[in-house]
Amino acid sequence: QITLMESGPTLVKPTQTLTLTCTVSGFSLSSNGVGVGWVRQPPGKGLEWLALIYWYDGSHFNPSLKSRLTITRDTSKDQVVLSMTNMDPVDTATYYCAHRFSNSGYVVFDYWGQGILVTVSS
Amino acid sequence: DIQMTQSPSSVSATVGARVTITCRASQDISSWLAWYQQKPGQAPRLLIYATSTLHNGVPSRFSGHRSGTDFSLTISSLQPDDFATYFCQQANVFPLSFGGGTRVEIQ
Repeated sequence: QITLMESGPTLVKPTQTLTLTCTVSGFSLSSNGVGVGWVRQPPGKGLEWLALIYWYDGSHFNPSLKSRLTITRDTSKDQVVLSMTNMDPVDTATYYCAHRFSNSGYVVFDYWGQGILVTVSS
Repeated sequence: DIQMTQSPSSVSATVGARVTITCRASQDISSWLAWYQQKPGQAPRLLIYATSTLHNGVPSRFSGHRSGTDFSLTISSLQPDDFATYFCQQANVFPLSFGGGTRVEIQ
């Protein structure tokens, strides 16, 4: 059974760097076709894709945030880590990590973590 | 970047009604479109991918169609469990992008 769980701070101050960890189970981060992405959702608003990392360590970023984002994986710990620099109150959102649906041939997400609400406030 | 315009933003309907939600892509995305359902306090759930393929366990009352760059999600007979917000997502090119969402409410 595939599961993902986000962890990290729920409150950060403006200008700080946010680091979120996605711990996965039920699949290997190094298996062919595997991808893990991050998506965020401000309170009461829509979904915004942030980043994706593949089994071979390749990655993609949303260009609107690319300069602020880093995504890495640790296969020994079954973790994917997203960092976002220079946090601002507009970055207040629920952050989700999600598993790429490998059978689809492209990037859609079939399993999601429960999400972590991150508030940016001084 | 590809913009996904979803409409309506909300719809009120009764149990048993037929509901259709549309999503328009700003450019050709072939059939690389997915639909998600999200309930309050929950993560999105994948319903449909590749325009019309139902994901595992999704009831057959859900269906998806494409006409050019216009995509639709239809619920043939709305059930109490279907009251939720629905999002489309294009997966043709990066950056991935979502529609603004459609809230399906009880009338």
